[in-house]
Amino acid sequence: AQSVAQPEDQVNVAEGNPLTVKCTYSVSGNPYLFWYVQYPNRGLQFLLKYITGDNLVKGSYGFEAEFNKSQTSFHLKKPSALVSDSALYFCAVRDMNPQIYNQGGKLIFGQGTELSVKP
Amino acid sequence: GAVVSQHPSRVICKSGTSVKIECRSLDFQATTMFWYRQFPKKSLMLMATSNEGSKATYEQGVEKDKFLINHASLTLSTLTVTSAHPEDSSFYICSARERLARDTQYFGPGTRLTVL
Repeated sequence: AQSVAQPEDQVNVAEGNPLTVKCTYSVSGNPYLFWYVQYPNRGLQFLLKYITGDNLVKGSYGFEAEFNKSQTSFHLKKPSALVSDSALYFCAVRDMNPQIYNQGGKLIFGQGTELSVKP
Repeated sequence: GAVVSQHPSRVICKSGTSVKIECRSLDFQATTMFWYRQFPKKSLMLMATSNEGSKATYEQGVEKDKFLINHASLTLSTLTVTSAHPEDSSFYICSARERLARDTQYFGPGTRLTVL
């Protein structure tokens, strides 16, 4: 079964420190992986994606994520956190197994991690 | 970048009335659009997937006669909540994707529905 897990409901970081938001996934085929950010009462904004190629993916606002196939993980990272990074972060996967994809190619979302960056 | 708009951003209605929410892809053609529902500080619940020109595919447990979805063109999808009740109050978010599977799914800003 396809699934995405974000093991931390909340991550607290001091401004200027590095941050990591964890994500692990389970799919039957090759995964397409995404990170989105949501600010209060807003829709989701795309941060970055992994399709193929280099395992380290760079995205918007200084974020990056590392695809680790052996650990089935796609953790989101940023070297130096800003207060304005405080938001809800979602990891998502699209299973590219044709049997799954032909059901609509829908994204499976993790439960979300609330990031709080304090000054 | 790709932009998805939603209208209205906020709507308050009386119980028993119907509400229509529009979702538009502004700078790309969306062959597939998705409708989600989100409860406070919770993940998104996929309600249905719609492909342009065909009937929407609803997720298990979602009443298709209550949540009417129309995807009439490559840039417009609508969600109509029929005979709304207070338990339908929620944040509804649409999303759109271009033709290819590898394409990113872009999200609208959401519509806050409150049913009195």
